[in-house]
Amino acid sequence: EIVLTQSPGTLSLSPGERATLSCRASQSVSRSSLAWYQQKPGQAPRLLIYGASSRASGVPDRFSGSGSGTDFTLTISRLEPEDFAVYYCQQYGSPPATFGQGTKVESK
Amino acid sequence: DVQLVESGGGLVQPGGSLRLSCAASGFSFSTYSMNWVRLAPGKGLEWVSYISSTSKTIYYADSVKGRFTISRDNAKNSLYLQMSSLRAEDTAVYFCARGPYSDSGVYYFDLWGQGTQVTVSS
Repeated sequence: EIVLTQSPGTLSLSPGERATLSCRASQSVSRSSLAWYQQKPGQAPRLLIYGASSRASGVPDRFSGSGSGTDFTLTISRLEPEDFAVYYCQQYGSPPATFGQGTKVESK
Repeated sequence: DVQLVESGGGLVQPGGSLRLSCAASGFSFSTYSMNWVRLAPGKGLEWVSYISSTSKTIYYADSVKGRFTISRDNAKNSLYLQMSSLRAEDTAVYFCARGPYSDSGVYYFDLWGQGTQVTVSS
């Protein structure tokens, strides 16, 4: 199965700063079949990005996804207070679907 | 509102059984595939099981194959996960999650419930 490694484990930033989250796959993710999710404590995870770069419905345009093959990035252009959360990547190109271990974006 | 609400979690002894339910509302449940995904303490998310809109296609993660059974009742807008021979490593928050298509295998998950806690311990 494809192993996804997210880095860094924790990102300490201030509101208004740019956040860059990395997701690296152990083998190429076919058809850029990669998604990103946001999860806040006690809440349901929320789909942000699918197909590596397509924003889900209702997701603000400060969230963007990029990458292909084995290296993918989620960028939050200017952090808002509500963006502090844990972010997970997921590949669905090769069964079984697998997730990264998460990156926590915390307020500095 | 479009939502998924899980129920049925709890504390169970190793080797025991539990049945989780997921109630869907606000969308045409019968036209979407559904999944169960879990989050164990100190670990990342893990996809557990998939069922197509008509129940024709079902998949399981190797870690639960032979022990868990996924099912759905489209008349009741409900998804289920029957868990048996439970182990300590099955301890997790279990989420039901909607797939974007009716029967195209496991894709991304565009709608999630808030989860139900399952704890396997003596």
